[in-house]
This record gives sequence, structure tokens and C-alpha cells, in this order.
Amino acid sequence: RKEVEQDPGPFNVPEGATVAFNCTYSNSASQSFFWYRQDCRKEPKLLMSVYSSGNEDGRFTAQLNRASQYISLLIRDSKLSDSATYLCAVNRGSYIPTFGRGTSLIVHP
Amino acid sequence: GAVVSQHPSRVICKSGTSVKIECRSLDFQATTMFWYRQFPKKSLMLMATSNEGSKATYEQGVEKDKFLINHASLTLSTLTVTSAHPEDSSFYICSARDARGAETQYFGPGTRLLVL
Repeated sequence: RKEVEQDPGPFNVPEGATVAFNCTYSNSASQSFFWYRQDCRKEPKLLMSVYSSGNEDGRFTAQLNRASQYISLLIRDSKLSDSATYLCAVNRGSYIPTFGRGTSLIVHP
Repeated sequence: GAVVSQHPSRVICKSGTSVKIECRSLDFQATTMFWYRQFPKKSLMLMATSNEGSKATYEQGVEKDKFLINHASLTLSTLTVTSAHPEDSSFYICSARDARGAETQYFGPGTRLLVL
């Protein structure tokens, strides 16, 4: 089993839709979790950290489920500009991150 | 926000040459920098963890003699791809972690390497 797994998609949704991605991790001792956004041929940019209690930033909500070892990202009211690849990252010891392969989102008019 | 630069952004070279990529943290000190490689439609693969003033820690399967890493100061790490071959063609991205202890990484814009 891979350390961090994501459904590569693509998820094809209309503008205004709500879409959710999951990311599973295998190491139960993992402590820190993040969602990054990567545009085509660009570097990843931090979207949000994922806290145990869940956190929200505008249209984006991140959740952590330790029992089932997954994190989720919910995007409400999707915009065309949300089209990108969303990478989850899980820190193993010493803050060394492992990335998932990313989930591709395409928002169409 | 924190800024990390990478140079060059793009390089095309002949097989057998060595290529040096620089990663700089511009407005913070980074005791730790990470080097990644990403192939098209694939995930970021961590190659090595670079610690200022000490030897880099390489991930399993990454040849340390082929990918030389130097982290001589708190703001600069370099990756040298020695005797590059076409299979080394990839997108190389560095990231830096603030020395003040935050877990957040800040990524450089990446370097596209094409080896002919």
C-alpha cells in the first residue's frame, strides 16, 4: 500500500458545484497534514493545513479522520479558477513530507 | 509570504554534462530544504533532505553520487545532476522550511531539465 493515496481523477464539475476529494495515508503515526494546489507546469502552493478539529477557509473545508486514516478537502461553489491538481501531503517524522499523486479538478462553465 | 527562488527555471543540455540548480530562500532562513522530482502526471517524489552545514539525507533509490546536494548557507542549497542522461529529464522542485520551526514548506518555482 502506498504511503499516501489519492484518486487521480479527473473530477469534472460545473461551476457552482460542490466537490470533495479524499486522501488516505498508511502511517498511523503521521502528525501533520496539508493540502496543496498545483497548476499545470507550476510548483505546488499551500492551500491549507489540516487540523484535527477540521478547518475552513472561505469555500474550502479540510477534515481529518484519524480512525480511518484519511483527510478530505471540500470545495463549495466551484469556480473556473479552481481547476488545478490538488495534492495532499502527510508529514512523517522530522517534518519530512510525503505527497500523494494529486487529484485533478476541472471546473467547466 | 515566504519566497523561494530557483535558478535556472529551464535548462536544456547534452547528455553527459552536469547541471547545477540553485534554491534560495529570499526572506527567511532555512535550515532544511527539500529536493523533489516530478514526472508528468506523477506525484512529487522526494529525492533528498538538505540540512545546512551537514550532509544531505537521500531517499531510498536516489544515487547520492549522481545528485550532489550542497547546503552551504541558511539561504542556499544546490542540486547538481552529474553526467545527466535523457532519463534525468524532469521537473525539479525545491522547498524550504523556515528555521523558526514552522512545518510549512515553501516551494520554489521549479526547474525544467531536458537532457538531449
